[in-house]
Amino acid sequence: NAGVTQTPKFRILKIGQSMTLQCAQDMNHNYMYWYRQDPGMGLKLIYYSVGAGITDKGEVPNGYNVSRSTTEDFPLRLELAAPSQTSVYFCASSLLRTGASYGYTFGSGTRLTVV
Amino acid sequence: EDKVVQSPLSLVVHEGDTVTLNCSYEVTNFRSLLWYKQEKKAPTFLFMLTSSGIEKKSGRLSSILDKKELSSILNITATQTGDSAIYLCAVEAEGRRALTFGSGTRLQVQP
Repeated sequence: NAGVTQTPKFRILKIGQSMTLQCAQDMNHNYMYWYRQDPGMGLKLIYYSVGAGITDKGEVPNGYNVSRSTTEDFPLRLELAAPSQTSVYFCASSLLRTGASYGYTFGSGTRLTVV
Repeated sequence: EDKVVQSPLSLVVHEGDTVTLNCSYEVTNFRSLLWYKQEKKAPTFLFMLTSSGIEKKSGRLSSILDKKELSSILNITATQTGDSAIYLCAVEAEGRRALTFGSGTRLQVQP
């Protein structure tokens, strides 16, 4: 059981470039989330999804886009990368809404640096 | 706006010490509070607390919720170097999209 798989683990982008962070889960969870974690800070919600075809913005969605065409995959797209997007990105999934009873299962994270 | 505050931000102790980490919250329609341990990679789930005054335990770790004080503590007894990590507190509220996380407490246990 792989859980939540994120790729890549590390990436360096130049200002203005674009990229997609991949996230896949094999637990048949309906709920999936993207968070970013800046140094010394907690996790901030970027986007979330309650099922295939349904996504919505979190606290810090500007500069990002998501799609959810299948239950398993929830990619995060960065358009026109900026230094402010330098962060560690975590994808998570949960069986129930907001992680009730079981909490989230997190991916191992993507460390992104924009230079 | 939901708010979760953890203290201290950082803590250095020696093996064998007991530590207490704090989490306070301001949310509307509180549902549960969760603790996570984050080592080098992804946070891993420790506890979920919904009822005030009921202690959850797992080995040397324990946690309790005080709904009157809108807070929770995480205790670690007889600390070991493997306890070195960031400990995150998160709160779930009715009608909210996702968990709201605090900034974490960075614990360093020295030999």
